[in-house]
Amino acid sequence: GENVEQHPSTLSVQEGDSAVIKCTYSDSASNYFPWYKQELGKRPQLIIDIRSNVGEKKDQRIAVTLNKTAKHFSLHITETQPEDSAVYFCAASPGTGNQFYFGTGTSLTVIP
Amino acid sequence: DADVTQTPRNRITKTGKRIMLECSQTKGHDRMYWYRQDPGLGLRLIYYSFDVKDINKGEISDGYSVSRQAQAKFSLSLESAIPNQTALYFCATSDSWGQGYTFGSGTRLTVV
Repeated sequence: GENVEQHPSTLSVQEGDSAVIKCTYSDSASNYFPWYKQELGKRPQLIIDIRSNVGEKKDQRIAVTLNKTAKHFSLHITETQPEDSAVYFCAASPGTGNQFYFGTGTSLTVIP
Repeated sequence: DADVTQTPRNRITKTGKRIMLECSQTKGHDRMYWYRQDPGLGLRLIYYSFDVKDINKGEISDGYSVSRQAQAKFSLSLESAIPNQTALYFCATSDSWGQGYTFGSGTRLTVV
């Protein structure tokens, strides 16, 4: 099955700096890559996703890049704010769309 | 967001007891999932269901069972709870293409 690895497990940045979280996947059939944000005590919520026919997608301060050849994808947050502090999960979904395989999460802390 | 509702929100139970966690959704999605979340391990799939007559094991199904009573309802049972089943449990739904997960608010289960 698919194996998703996520790094780093914890990340601290100064407010206004950029944050980058990286994930690798093993199954070349995976074609959908969502990112979830989980604030303390709350449910994970989808923040951005990318499909395998696209190399990059942006939504305001958030962007995701995908390198299919290397089987890795990354979340980029620019101009970080304290409310960006949360745990972020990447996931990969194989072509069958049966289920998501999640990374182990990155705890991001934005220091004011 | 009441689209995916889990009950109870918190539960403390004793070792050996049977317990049921319930999930209902108003999104009209066919697919429903149960995950458990443990610190440092991310989200791991327990069971999933594509429709009322379909039940599939995930990566950590041992010790759990599920019932898909209707399109909108998917319950998770622990037949004989043990302490290492202490975790945060999430129900999720998705469309027929398996994309755009929506998570419930979670059930924090403690087995003593």
